[in-house]
Amino acid sequence: AQTVTQSQPEMSVQEAETVTLSCTYDTSESDYYLFWYKQPPSRQMILVIRQEAYKQQNATENRFSVNFQKAAKSFSLKISDSQLGDAAMYFCAYRSPLLLGTSGSRLTFGEGTQLTVNP
Amino acid sequence: GAVVSQHPSWVICKSGTSVKIECRSLDFQATTMFWYRQFPKQSLMLMATSNEGSKATYEQGVEKDKFLINHASLTLSTLTVTSAHPEDSSFYICSARPGQGSGYTFGSGTRLTVV
Repeated sequence: AQTVTQSQPEMSVQEAETVTLSCTYDTSESDYYLFWYKQPPSRQMILVIRQEAYKQQNATENRFSVNFQKAAKSFSLKISDSQLGDAAMYFCAYRSPLLLGTSGSRLTFGEGTQLTVNP
Repeated sequence: GAVVSQHPSWVICKSGTSVKIECRSLDFQATTMFWYRQFPKQSLMLMATSNEGSKATYEQGVEKDKFLINHASLTLSTLTVTSAHPEDSSFYICSARPGQGSGYTFGSGTRLTVV
């Protein structure tokens, strides 16, 4: 079974600075998907960024980018120019390849990293 | 964008009663819905996977007779917590995937308090 590990329970960053959240995973599959989700105090889960394992290029979404190291099974999230609204719990998640004819397979989540943004 | 509407957002019930939580996919058909439970400051724990028109698949350790899941249509899945007890108090979240190549959309969650 796949496992996802986030070794930083809490992180803090100054507003406008850059912070990197770590995530490692364990899998024997060669093709899979990785995600970062954000859960603010409202507890609504919000997709931040996703990466397909077959793509070598690191995904970026505005101020959010990932460093995907497939051989090392590492998937870190970099938040640039941190804003107060970035304060949230961040979850790294793994998904296996889809089975033909199905609409999805489960997400395996890491333990989460609570990010505080200091003004 | 794709939306999963979850209701109620907050419910208090007495011990021994049952509570139903609904999740509706508003602008897409969800053949599969995932139900999670989350304790404060912890990660999401998958409870079960519901498939339209068939029985749900429960994760190990989840009592299927306590957490009844029904997925009778392509847009509605329900989770019923039967004979609720204080230890069932938690945050419950549903999720579905709108289509190929997309991420998962989550409901806004239901905070259940059993008194």
